[in-house]
Amino acid sequence: GQNIDQPTEMTATEGAIVQINCTYQTSGFNGLFWYQQHAGEAPTFLSYNVLDGLEEKGRFSSFLSRSKGYSYLLLKELQMKDSASYLCAAQDSNYQLIWGAGTKLIIKP
Amino acid sequence: SQTIHQWPATLVQPVGSPLSLECTVEGTSNPNLYWYRQAAGRGLQLLFYSVGIGQISSEVPQNLSASRPQDRQFILSSKKLLLSDSGFYLCAWKRGGESYEQYFGPGTRLTVT
Repeated sequence: GQNIDQPTEMTATEGAIVQINCTYQTSGFNGLFWYQQHAGEAPTFLSYNVLDGLEEKGRFSSFLSRSKGYSYLLLKELQMKDSASYLCAAQDSNYQLIWGAGTKLIIKP
Repeated sequence: SQTIHQWPATLVQPVGSPLSLECTVEGTSNPNLYWYRQAAGRGLQLLFYSVGIGQISSEVPQNLSASRPQDRQFILSSKKLLLSDSGFYLCAWKRGGESYEQYFGPGTRLTVT
């Protein structure tokens, strides 16, 4: 079957670094997406990885290892506004997204 | 630039009543369109997707249906709502083809009482 696993909740301190992990099992693989979702709002696109390695976008970076079925989202210099849920989604062979349940990130001052 | 609209933003409906949620996209043509539902504290459940006018694929059998009467319009309907239909309904679009990101509308929060 198809499955995405990510931690339910994480807590970090303002100004610190946090890494949110995601493991996936899909029928075929055509890339891994990360989305941010603030409470009560729609998800917004953060990053897309299809090749192994690290993609950096400002304070956010995303890593993919296809052989391990593993990705992480790295957030640096955490700000209070980064408090949100982070959704991992893998694209299968039919280009449909398989979504994880999301990781709720709590930032403490 | 592209914009996606959804309405209404919130809705409270009694059990057994009908439902119609509308989604429209501006600034693009022939998009792939999606309806998702998200229960509180949970991930996204894909309900329907469409790659063109009149083409609807259903992912989850239930008392909901979807239609795409125009290229950039996607409608989610029900004849009789159940309590379990409560949730946050999200419409999304992406460019037709392969690996493009999906963009979400603001969502409709539905409470069935």
